[in-house]
Amino acid sequence: IVMTQSPLSLPVTPGEPASISCRSSQSLLLSNGNNYLDWFLQKPGQSPQLLIYLGSIRASGVPDRFSGSGSGTDFTLRISRVEAEDVGLYYCMSASRTIWTFGQGTKVEIK
Amino acid sequence: DVQLVESGGGLVQPGGSLKLSCAASGFTFSDSAIHWVRQAPGKGLEWVGRIRTKPNNYATAYGVSVRGRFTLSRDDSDNTAYLQLNSLEPEDTAVYHCVRHVEMSDLPRIWGQGTMVTVSS
Repeated sequence: IVMTQSPLSLPVTPGEPASISCRSSQSLLLSNGNNYLDWFLQKPGQSPQLLIYLGSIRASGVPDRFSGSGSGTDFTLRISRVEAEDVGLYYCMSASRTIWTFGQGTKVEIK
Repeated sequence: DVQLVESGGGLVQPGGSLKLSCAASGFTFSDSAIHWVRQAPGKGLEWVGRIRTKPNNYATAYGVSVRGRFTLSRDDSDNTAYLQLNSLEPEDTAVYHCVRHVEMSDLPRIWGQGTMVTVSS
């Protein structure tokens, strides 16, 4: 499965919304009704931090300004109002098959 | 707290070996597949491999770039997974993370903080 993110660079204004798209080359929807699609944020010098799993469920402790949507092959991560602490690299990841695959990463930075 | 802690990283010469550990706590380790993901400096994320649970015969799978050189194992009695790295190459330099994955479940994947492996002479 090939994961394609867009855009790869996203300058944002604090307080404004932002969204990132992730498309997979094959459907991530499994027979149990779950899409094994995760979103996570990697801040400089830190390990990946899970934001969203199963396409739309916020991980524990993640602010509600983050939301995920989509099913099958098209997924979107939205930030309702960007804050300065949201800068970093955002990745989508497919865990629907034995081999996990990752998007290229979207660099979010403040304008 | 649900937690994974990797250890065993370090500096090793090309052609050398290293064994990484992934110690789990706060969840039923034996019910979880363990995946390994690595990230080379300044690069993206790469899936390394996975080991399944006992009911799935501890089946393993490996990424193309490490197949035949790396070996996964686990000790459910000790809640620990292992990644044996052999015939190391400079291109294997990366932070190695273990990740808990409960197959066909609604549970989130849990990542460890990672351990750094540097292959250099």
